[in-house]
Amino acid sequence: GAVVSQHPSRVICKSGTSVKIECRSLDFQATTMFWYRQFPKKSLMLMATSNEGSKATYEQGVEKDKFLINHASLTLSTLTVTSAHPEDSSFYICSAREPGQGAFEQYFGPGTRLTVT
Amino acid sequence: KQEVTQIPAALSVPEGENLVLNCSFTDSAIYNLQWFRQDPGKGLTSLLLIQSSQREQTSGRLNASLDKSSGRSTLYIAASQPGDSATYLCAPGGGNTPLVFGKGTRLSVIA
Repeated sequence: GAVVSQHPSRVICKSGTSVKIECRSLDFQATTMFWYRQFPKKSLMLMATSNEGSKATYEQGVEKDKFLINHASLTLSTLTVTSAHPEDSSFYICSAREPGQGAFEQYFGPGTRLTVT
Repeated sequence: KQEVTQIPAALSVPEGENLVLNCSFTDSAIYNLQWFRQDPGKGLTSLLLIQSSQREQTSGRLNASLDKSSGRSTLYIAASQPGDSATYLCAPGGGNTPLVFGKGTRLSVIA
């Protein structure tokens, strides 16, 4: 199957700083990528849908000015957590869908664990 | 808005048992449904994908069924092993919509 990578896998930052997480589709072009967040012992919650060449679509309750998403190319989407606070500490997972495939399977990255101190 | 419920929330069984994990969803207008496993602190491992036109899919000891009209899917695990211990997530979606996840079933298989 297709491969999606994320970088970094773990990051610790201080409160008030910004952190950028990269999501790459390694062997296919993804016009659409998705960003999810998972709190400890909770399920994955969709944060936003990232579309190449256009603005991201955010889910209700997700602050678009705090979680900046840039889908600059068909293989790269970035999520920047701005002015991070301890409550932003979470597991962030991206996924990408391979276009042209009827099943529209979503492939997931390995996740990024963010800790804000 | 799609809502996904997984039952049971947690399950502890002795090694060798066959077991069934249940998933129900409210919006049957889906293209496919995926089952994942997640180990503690790790990402997702895709187990099975069932397209909306299919009734079931099998991979090794795993069998997933889909009844789209009633909004139900089940994951059957045969001859469970301690290595099967993980959280199992059900996610309907596909097409132009993202996957929506249930809260998962936390499985513990005891040797």
